Parts: sequence; structure tokens; C-alpha cells
Amino acid sequence: SAVISQKPSRDICQRGTSLTIQCQVDSQVTMMFWYRQQPGQSLTLIATANQGSEATYESGFVIDKFPISRPNLTFSTLTVSNMSPEDSSIYLCSVLLTGQLTYEQYFGPGTRLTVT
Amino acid sequence: AQSVTQLDSHVSVSEGTPVLLRCNYSSSYSPSLFWYVQHPNKGLQLLLKYTSAATLVKGINGFEAEFKKSETSFHLTKPSAHMSDAAEYFCVVSLGSGGFKTIFGAGTRLFVKA
Repeated sequence: SAVISQKPSRDICQRGTSLTIQCQVDSQVTMMFWYRQQPGQSLTLIATANQGSEATYESGFVIDKFPISRPNLTFSTLTVSNMSPEDSSIYLCSVLLTGQLTYEQYFGPGTRLTVT
Repeated sequence: AQSVTQLDSHVSVSEGTPVLLRCNYSSSYSPSLFWYVQHPNKGLQLLLKYTSAATLVKGINGFEAEFKKSETSFHLTKPSAHMSDAAEYFCVVSLGSGGFKTIFGAGTRLFVKA
């Protein structure tokens, strides 16, 4: 299993500012992901962040708005840039653990962001 | 294309009665299927998973799900609901071929009445 922590757990930010969310995992993992969960909605994948390569963004998400860093196998950051109220969401970090025949995805507790 | 559809946005049951949360999927490959639960203001917790082994999968807290390829379904059931089961449930399909991708269903909110 994997234990994931995120900082901050929540924040209230003013529009036009940026927030960097940190994700720490208790073991080395190759594949990390960032998701957004808008109020009352399901999870939407923002990007896949593999160590040693550029993050891969899903349709509708761009690097200028959501820059991601992945400096090592246990840590990643997601920045939400030039925030607007529409960015108010829960942002979740996730990792994939692979075994011989199976794999499991684990999620962090999330960062609840409110933009005013 | 891959997709997952949760057929009910809300389900309401009385405590002690059975729970059925429906999920249908579409996939060009052999998928792995998961159910996650999210309690209010809590993180996502894995309930159970299907990864091409036994089609009837048992999970935590008395939940189970049956993979039916002919019906492309992966419905979640529990014989007797408990008040603590009230939460949001997500059906998830993931593909490990040629790269990993996870698709979440829209979610089903389960209400449990006393």
C-alpha cells in the first residue's frame, strides 16, 4: 500500500494569485497523477507526472495554468496559477503501485481550494 | 473509447435492506474495474477491484461486485445497509495496456435511512 500526504489540506486564496500543492508518498513510485474534483462532481484527471519526464496533460488542462514538478520518486507539486473562482475544487494526488499481475491506485486526502 | 456509466446519481435505502449501485462500462481492452467510496470531507478509499481473476469480487465492509462481461456491468451490492455506508461511490475503469489511464464514473450518492 501507499500512504500519501498533501499540503496544504485546504486554503482560501484571492483571484489572480497562485497556489502550490505538495504531494508526498511514503514509497518510491513511478507514476503519479493529479486530479481535480469540482464541487459535487466526480474526479477529472489533470495530468500524469512521471519522474524524469515532462508531465502529460489531459484535454482541457495546460501547463501554463497547472505547472507540475516531479523532482524524485516520492514527491510532486501542482501549481494552480492565476486563480479564478472556477478553480475552486478539491485537488487530489494519486499514485499507482504495480505488482506482478495487478496494480492499485491510491489517493491522497486532497487539498480543498476556495478562490474568492 | 473507454467510458463508465453509473446509472443512478442517488440511491436511498433503509438501514438493514440490500444495496445495489449500478455501473456499466465500455472498453476496447480487458479492463480493470474498481469501486471507491468517499465519505464527506474524507479521501477516497478502495472498496474492491476486479482484475481478470474471479468474476465475483468481495471487498471491505461487506460489499461485493460481480463482473459480467456479457452485460458490460460491474454492479456493487451489499446484503444489509448500515448507516455508516452513507457516502459517495465511484465506479472506475482503468486500462494498463500501453500506458495507464483511469476513468471515473459520475458517482452515486447513497443515502441510508434509519
